[in-house]
Amino acid sequence: DTAVSQTPKYLVTQMGNDKSIKCEQNLGHDTMYWYKQDSKKFLKIMFSYNNKELIINETVPNRFSPKSPDKAHLNLHINSLELGDSAVYFCASSQVPGYEQYFGPGTRLTVT
Amino acid sequence: QKEVEQNSGPLSVPEGAIASLNCTYSDRGSQSFFWYRQYSGKSPELIMSIYSNGDKEDGRFTAQLNKASQYVSLLIRDSQPSDSATYLCAVTSNSGYALNFGKGTSLLVTP
Repeated sequence: DTAVSQTPKYLVTQMGNDKSIKCEQNLGHDTMYWYKQDSKKFLKIMFSYNNKELIINETVPNRFSPKSPDKAHLNLHINSLELGDSAVYFCASSQVPGYEQYFGPGTRLTVT
Repeated sequence: QKEVEQNSGPLSVPEGAIASLNCTYSDRGSQSFFWYRQYSGKSPELIMSIYSNGDKEDGRFTAQLNKASQYVSLLIRDSQPSDSATYLCAVTSNSGYALNFGKGTSLLVTP
């Protein structure tokens, strides 16, 4: 069984569209994260949820809205997509905040 | 945002040699330190964590931490071509809630 899974793996869409990425973990962890890895491979934290509560929101445009329906799921909805949103988005989870994090396979988003 | 600095490389070592990867961080309050390996087109994979000063060994990997110098390193003994990847240093943020990543060091192990 995959520990942290994400869907879809690839997402190609046009500017202005709205899209969602889903993440699920079966590790029993309390904390989940969204990271963005840009074309220069720099991995940057976007959001973190602990027990379904938002604990980190790093200067991310409010076009990005995370939602955690339960501890095992963290989704990311993006409105009005822009070219600069093209990147790989990784979901991760950890037992407690800041502890060892395990990453999903990533979603490669391409905005044309 | 506090910084985590790594030499981008590429670091090239022959097969069987020791690869030494270094990382410095600026936030003195950081408590936890991690090394991730990322193959091209794949997700980061946790290979080592270290929380106190000194060395921690796991198989061919040794992590070293010096909080006074704000320095973390990873040694890979008996390097194999399969170790060729980008190695990311990660440090807990001031809040302790997230990880700040360095930009990674590309390692190439040549047969």
